[in-house]
Amino acid sequence: EAGVTQFPSHSVIEKGQTVTLRCDPISGHDNLYWYRRVMGKEIKFLLHFVKESKQDESGMPNNRFLAERTGGTYSTLKVQPAELEDSGVYFCASSQDRGFSGTDTQYFGPGTRLTVL
Amino acid sequence: AQKITQTQPGMFVQEKEAVTLDCTYDTSDPSYGLFWYKQPSSGEMIFLIYQGSYDQQNATEGRYSLNFQKARKSANLVISASQLGDSAMYFCAMSLRAPGNQFYFGTGTSLTVIP
Repeated sequence: EAGVTQFPSHSVIEKGQTVTLRCDPISGHDNLYWYRRVMGKEIKFLLHFVKESKQDESGMPNNRFLAERTGGTYSTLKVQPAELEDSGVYFCASSQDRGFSGTDTQYFGPGTRLTVL
Repeated sequence: AQKITQTQPGMFVQEKEAVTLDCTYDTSDPSYGLFWYKQPSSGEMIFLIYQGSYDQQNATEGRYSLNFQKARKSANLVISASQLGDSAMYFCAMSLRAPGNQFYFGTGTSLTVIP
């Protein structure tokens, strides 16, 4: 079974440009999460999809970030326009929805390393 | 507020020895899960082990075990018989059952296994 995949693995852009990151979750996983790690800091939650709906976007830094999940399958995270402080590693994770059974294990992709110059 | 603390930025261990990576957590929610992930230099985050807050026994997965001390709010990862391939970054994470299972991460511990 394929794991979570992310594209691209690296992206170097200039301040003011637009970048779109893509995540393909594990097939059948309704939950999809985006996280970000800025150098030397902890990995922080950005947002959570359940199927195509945004369940929680409390971690999104500002309105320059836009996430979508088309048809409840893959997701994209667009940064427009990018700023220097957006540099970091963006992780995507997915999990099954086990309902009331408690916390779900999230399976992470390899991340996209974004560098804004 | 939810918080995960990993106080060891870097650790060294001799091959074949055991090592403990520390993790403390803070939450007032009675229902939570604790996770450890390994991130080798290649970048992917590999799930290692899970402990639920109501689990009576410490979780074990092969050479990994989680030393769960609920009263102390600690969830240390023990790796037995270290191997060179264990050299990696290790992250402790916590998830609450509600509302959306988002993970709270520590800053990570970099483990180096010495031959």
